Amino acid sequence: KNQVEQSPQSLIILEGKNCTLQCNYTVSPFSNLRWYKQDTGRGPVSLTIMTFSENTKSNGRYTATLDADTKQSSLHITASQLSDSASYICVVSARGDYKLSFGAGTTVTVRA
Amino acid sequence: DSGVTQTPKHLITATGQRVTLRCSPRSGDLSVYWYQQSLDQGLQFLIQYYNGEERAKGNILERFSAQQFPDLHSELNLSSLELGDSALYFCASSPRGTSGSYNEQFFGPGTRLTVL
Repeated sequence: KNQVEQSPQSLIILEGKNCTLQCNYTVSPFSNLRWYKQDTGRGPVSLTIMTFSENTKSNGRYTATLDADTKQSSLHITASQLSDSASYICVVSARGDYKLSFGAGTTVTVRA
Repeated sequence: DSGVTQTPKHLITATGQRVTLRCSPRSGDLSVYWYQQSLDQGLQFLIQYYNGEERAKGNILERFSAQQFPDLHSELNLSSLELGDSALYFCASSPRGTSGSYNEQFFGPGTRLTVL
């Protein structure tokens, strides 16, 4: 069964600090991995999409990494802002499968 | 604004009732996906339609059904509602029907369903 595990479940950081979120998956054969940001009560918004051949991708202060050999990804948030408070969801798709496998998300709270 | 619209924004109903949620995809997108997100839970994939045809099925209950119309908008029908059906229901759309990296999904704002 294709699974996506995220850690930590939640974290609190001070404004201006950095943090890193983890995603481990068992999806196979791997096609691509996406990170979404979901503000409370709103729809997820895509941050990055990475394929097998990509090991890092940035979107502003968000940098995602992918190690397809160990089936791990991370999302690094640099110089956090209050607006970064949200749930971050790791989503993985398998080649030849129409469905996506969603992680449970990491809730990030940025405090002033 | 993702370009995906969902109506209504909020829906309050009673157990045993039937409701219909509506989704209009982004202009040009052929695929529509429905997801359920219960309180403090992750997104659960329900069903996908591509150009009017069912493409993939997830954890969708038999009490739930969906369809995509010729103009590509989609409706999710929930019947015999139970308290546990209270959740946010999201619709997403994408240009194509596959899960490839070039086929990004864009999510709507969601419909919050409360079953009393």
